[in-house]
Amino acid sequence: DSGVTQTPKHLITATGQRVTLRCSPRSGDLSVYWYQQSLDQGLQFLIQYYNGEERAKGNILERFSAQQFPDLHSELNLSSLELGDSALYFCASSTEGIRNTIYFGEGSWLTVV
Amino acid sequence: GDSVTQMEGPVTLSEEAFLTINCTYTATGYPSLFWYVQYPGEGLQLLLKATKADDKGSNKGFEATYRKETTSFHLEKGSVQVSDSAVYFCALSEGGGATNKLIFGTGTLLAVQP
Repeated sequence: DSGVTQTPKHLITATGQRVTLRCSPRSGDLSVYWYQQSLDQGLQFLIQYYNGEERAKGNILERFSAQQFPDLHSELNLSSLELGDSALYFCASSTEGIRNTIYFGEGSWLTVV
Repeated sequence: GDSVTQMEGPVTLSEEAFLTINCTYTATGYPSLFWYVQYPGEGLQLLLKATKADDKGSNKGFEATYRKETTSFHLEKGSVQVSDSAVYFCALSEGGGATNKLIFGTGTLLAVQP
């Protein structure tokens, strides 16, 4: 158990809909990261937040957005969903420090039908 | 930009065989290097890491040495078990700037047969 908690574990929704994925980081971790894992794209970095502020942005679509709240939990919002958004979405967290280990949650499986 | 290249899978071995999974990287700075493992139906777990040249990371019988001269971080295990069957990801953290986000390779599926 990494200490990173993600909900829901599985989600099935229709095209055009909007979903929210939730992440609770490990106790004491200020950084939260979101990754997307799909068969064709592999593991892609989406976005990082540090203590409520956006720190780095990767291959995140404009239809997707994220935020980190004062209690440090984070949410990834996916809207106008397309079939190609079906993937495993990972949240991860770490402490401050450029060489610190990043710990991953078990992921949220999103299926768009 | 920075990138990681892993050997293609799947790799199929018999129990107790020697394992090598090749990983090379391209980076402008001095990255930290990692191996993560994903068991079937589970999330990513850190297997081992190395933060500077010539460091050796090790865990659960797996080892990898940070080779700056060859920009490599190959994963090895002397005797694999069926329980080692999983997808293995090599990754780097750029080690500079404001973020330590990870850049992953494509993953290598390892299947160990009894």
